Amino acid sequence: AQTVTQSQPEMSVQEAETVTLSCTYDTSESDYYLFWYKQPPSRQMILVIRQEAYKQQNATENRFSVNFQKAAKSFSLKISDSQLGDAAMYFCAYRSAHRDDKIIFGKGTRLHILP
Amino acid sequence: GAVVSQHPSWVICKSGTSVKIECRSLDFQATTMFWYRQFPKQSLMLMATSNEGSKATYEQGVEKDKFLINHASLTLSTLTVTSAHPEDSSFYICSARESTQSAPIYGYTFGSGTRLTVV
Repeated sequence: AQTVTQSQPEMSVQEAETVTLSCTYDTSESDYYLFWYKQPPSRQMILVIRQEAYKQQNATENRFSVNFQKAAKSFSLKISDSQLGDAAMYFCAYRSAHRDDKIIFGKGTRLHILP
Repeated sequence: GAVVSQHPSWVICKSGTSVKIECRSLDFQATTMFWYRQFPKQSLMLMATSNEGSKATYEQGVEKDKFLINHASLTLSTLTVTSAHPEDSSFYICSARESTQSAPIYGYTFGSGTRLTVV
């Protein structure tokens, strides 16, 4: 079974600085998708960034980028120029490309932004 | 973009009663919808997958008779918590994938969640 592990329950970063959230996953599949979701205090789940496993190029979305290391099964999220609005719970997630539609979430990392 | 409306946003009910939560895709058709449960400060746990016109698939450990899921149309799925008890108090979130988006890379759109409190 696939698993997603986020080893940092909480992190803090100074406003305007850069922070990296870690995520590792375990799977025997070769084709899959990885996501980072943000859940602010409103608890609305927001898709931050996504990565296709067959693509070597790391995905980027404005201030958000990932470091995807397929062999190491690592998928970290880097937030540049952190803003107060980035404060939220961040979930790393995995989805098989073939098996079924389920998204498997990690336990999350709570990110605090220090003014 | 795709929007999923979830209603109600919060509900308080008495122990032993049933509560229905609705999840609607507003501007797209969703052949598949998912129901999650989230305890305070924890991750989302998938409860079941519902497909339009067929029975829901429940995850291991989820009571089918307690959490009734109906996906009667391409835009509506409902979760009914039957004979609710205080331990059912939680945050419930639905999500949906647009049926025209065959590529899984698009992920899913989430509802805003329902906070259920059973007293």
